[in-house]
Amino acid sequence: KNQVEQSPQSLIILEGKNCTLQCNYTVSPFSNLRWYKQDTGRGPVSLTIMTFSENTKSNGRYTATLDADTKQSSLHITASQLSDSASYICVVSARAAGNKLTFGGGTRVLVKP
Amino acid sequence: DVKVTQSSRYLVKRTGEKVFLECVQDMDHENMFWYRQDPGLGLRLIYFSYDVKMKEKGDIPEGYSVSREKKERFSLILESASTNQTSMYLCASQNPGLRNTEAFFGQGTRLTVV
Repeated sequence: KNQVEQSPQSLIILEGKNCTLQCNYTVSPFSNLRWYKQDTGRGPVSLTIMTFSENTKSNGRYTATLDADTKQSSLHITASQLSDSASYICVVSARAAGNKLTFGGGTRVLVKP
Repeated sequence: DVKVTQSSRYLVKRTGEKVFLECVQDMDHENMFWYRQDPGLGLRLIYFSYDVKMKEKGDIPEGYSVSREKKERFSLILESASTNQTSMYLCASQNPGLRNTEAFFGQGTRLTVV
């Protein structure tokens, strides 16, 4: 069964600090992996998308890594800001009819001043 | 900019009512999805469609049906709403491709069934 596991479930960090979120997956056959940011009460918004051959991708202060061999990804937030408080969801797509998405449970990040 | 628009941000319905949630996308995407999101359970796929009039059950289709008469519109129907269908509903669209298969989400509809 395709699964995506994220850790930690929640995280509190001080403004200006860095943090790293983890994502492990068992989705097969793998197509791509994306990280989404979801503000409370809103739909998820894409941060990064990586295919099998890409092992790092940045979007401003967000940097995602992918190790397709170990089936692990991380999202690193640099110099956190209060606006980074949100849920971060790892989503893996399988190469199959409809490119079905498998979602992780998300990591809720709270940035405190 | 891709736009996925859900017809309502908030809805309150009574038990037993028939409920329609509408989703429209403007990028000619082939794939469209309906998810529900509940605390501690993450996003769960209800139904998806990869072409007009084509639909497939997701992980939790019970109590729901869908309609895709036009490519840009994907409707989720609760035939007889129940309190356990109180949730946040998210629509997504995606253009399947070899590399970039990013999914774009609507803003969500928070449905409360009383």
